[in-house]
Parts: sequence; structure tokens; C-alpha cells
Amino acid sequence: ETGVTQSPTHLIKTRGQQVTLRCSSQSGHNTVSWYQQALGQGPQFIFQYYREEENGRGNFPPRFSGLQFPNYSSELNVNALELDDSALYLCAGGVGPGDEQFFGPGTRLTVL
Amino acid sequence: AQSVTQLDSQVPVFEEAPVELRCNYSSSVSVYLFWYVQYPNQGLQLLLKYLSGSTLVKGINGFEAEFNKSQTSFHLRKPSVHISDTAEYFCAVANQAGTALIFGKGTTLSVSS
Repeated sequence: ETGVTQSPTHLIKTRGQQVTLRCSSQSGHNTVSWYQQALGQGPQFIFQYYREEENGRGNFPPRFSGLQFPNYSSELNVNALELDDSALYLCAGGVGPGDEQFFGPGTRLTVL
Repeated sequence: AQSVTQLDSQVPVFEEAPVELRCNYSSSVSVYLFWYVQYPNQGLQLLLKYLSGSTLVKGINGFEAEFNKSQTSFHLRKPSVHISDTAEYFCAVANQAGTALIFGKGTTLSVSS
């Protein structure tokens, strides 16, 4: 039990649509990081938020954006969905940058 | 830039046999190394981590790993595996800023009776 939950569990969208994935972390998790895990691959870092500000970003285009809220919840938004966006999206909470990250169970996004 | 290479994509073993999952890393700065396990349809669970100090790190579920700076390796070992250890295992290194984990492609451990 990591104290990190994600919703929805599964999601099916059509190419070109927009999607919002949600993550809820436990009190004290001041950072939230998002990762994309394609089938058969390791997770890839999308970005991290620390106290509601973006604190680092991986090699993902601007159509991937995020928000972090004061109540330890966060969102990952993806615009103009592409087929290659189909993946498991993982959220991870942590106390601060560089601290251990606690992962949620993920949201499986399928883009048709 | 940091990177991680997991040398085996699949490792089949019999129950109660020892196992080693191999991981090599590349980093020009101090390294923080991790092993995570992912069971089917679940998120990642931290098995163990190396931040500094003793090069032999003990983790949960009887796993241990040894940090070898000269070989740039961080291999995961367990002396006797169980059926329940069947899962995907990921080696990861923290990036220089400490904001992200850089993962390998994973090793599928399959334990059979």
C-alpha cells in the first residue's frame, strides 16, 4: 500500500481527442511525478511537479501537461492524442525531489 | 546522461533455485540506484535502493543487490525464489537533478515448480 491512487483504471480514447488522468497522493507528498510505460518497456519520465510548480521534464512534447493541487492530487492532460500514446501511465508521490517515490497502480490508456 | 541496461529480458528459473538479474548503469556523477518489482496489472514497488555506504544492499522479500563501481553494475540476487516472485523487475538510476528515475527495459522473472 503506497498511499497513491489513480483514476480511472482503464480508458479508451480516439486519436485527436484529449484526456485527463488523475492521481491522489497522501499527505506530505510534495512532489508528484508522472511516467509513461509502453507495452514491454520500462517507465519513461514525463515530468515532476513540486509544490504546484513543474520541477523537471522528460523528452515529451508540450501536449503533455500537468497540474498539482494543494490537496496532494494532480492531473496529467494529454491533447491531440496519438496512437503511440497508448500506454500505462504511472503517478508517483514523494516527500521532496530526490526522495523515494511511491507509485500508484496506473491508468491504462488505449488510443484507437 | 545517465542510463541503465538490463542484460536479460527474460529469466526462467525453478522454484527454490537462486537467481541473479543483471543491471549495468552509466553515469558521470554520484549514482543512486534502485530495483523495483511490478506484478501483473499493478504499479511499481520498491525492492531496494543504493544511495551510499555499504555496497551490499538488502531489500524486501529476501532480495539483495551489490553495487560495483568498477564494473558499473547493480545486480539483484535472491538465494531461493518462490512462485510468487514471478514478476517484472526494473533497475533504475536517479537523474542528476534527482527529479526523475531512468528505468531499464525490465527483466521478466518466471518461476516454475
